[in-house]
Amino acid sequence: DTAVSQTPKYLVTQMGNDKSIKCEQNLGHDTMYWYKQDSKKFLKIMFSYNNKELIINETVPNRFSPKSPDKAHLNLHINSLELGDSAVYFCASSPDPDRVYLNTEAFFGQGTRLTVV
Amino acid sequence: GEDVEQSLFLSVREGDSSVINCTYTDSSSTYLYWYKQEPGAGLQLLTYIFSNMDMKQDQRLTVLLNKKDKHLSLRIADTQTGDSAIYFCAEVPNQAGTALIFGKGTTLSVSS
Repeated sequence: DTAVSQTPKYLVTQMGNDKSIKCEQNLGHDTMYWYKQDSKKFLKIMFSYNNKELIINETVPNRFSPKSPDKAHLNLHINSLELGDSAVYFCASSPDPDRVYLNTEAFFGQGTRLTVV
Repeated sequence: GEDVEQSLFLSVREGDSSVINCTYTDSSSTYLYWYKQEPGAGLQLLTYIFSNMDMKQDQRLTVLLNKKDKHLSLRIADTQTGDSAIYFCAEVPNQAGTALIFGKGTTLSVSS
């Protein structure tokens, strides 16, 4: 079974559209993340959720809104898509963040390649 | 703020050793990680080191940590063509909760 799964794997859409990327983890982790990898392969944290509560929100346009219906899911909704949103988006999860002195290894999904045309 | 720094490219011949270097930002980062990204794939944890260790060896991989200089390195012995990938150094600085902060990635190219 896939530990962290994202859908869709590829998404091509026109500027101005609204789209969602779904993420699910079956590891029982408390924390989930969204990362963006740009065309130069640079990876940046976008959001972090712990038990359905937002704990990190980096400098990301408010067109991006994470939604966590339950602990195992963190979906990314993007409004009014722009060309610059084209990237690969990775979902990840990791164990209990309160135990900061334990290994906080993150498990990543396979990524969603978003292309805005 | 400061960034996690890595050189962007490394090219080696098959059978040689590869050394990928990283400078991280937060001396209080408890764990430091190396992730591998193969072409078109997601990220996989390659290895990690706890901050109270200087070295960790795992088969062909050796991680060296210099806390004073905030320097981390990954050595791959007997590099194979299958090792061609992007290698990301990552830390979890205290101020970032538990989110990984990645370096820009080093693209390792192995020629036969």
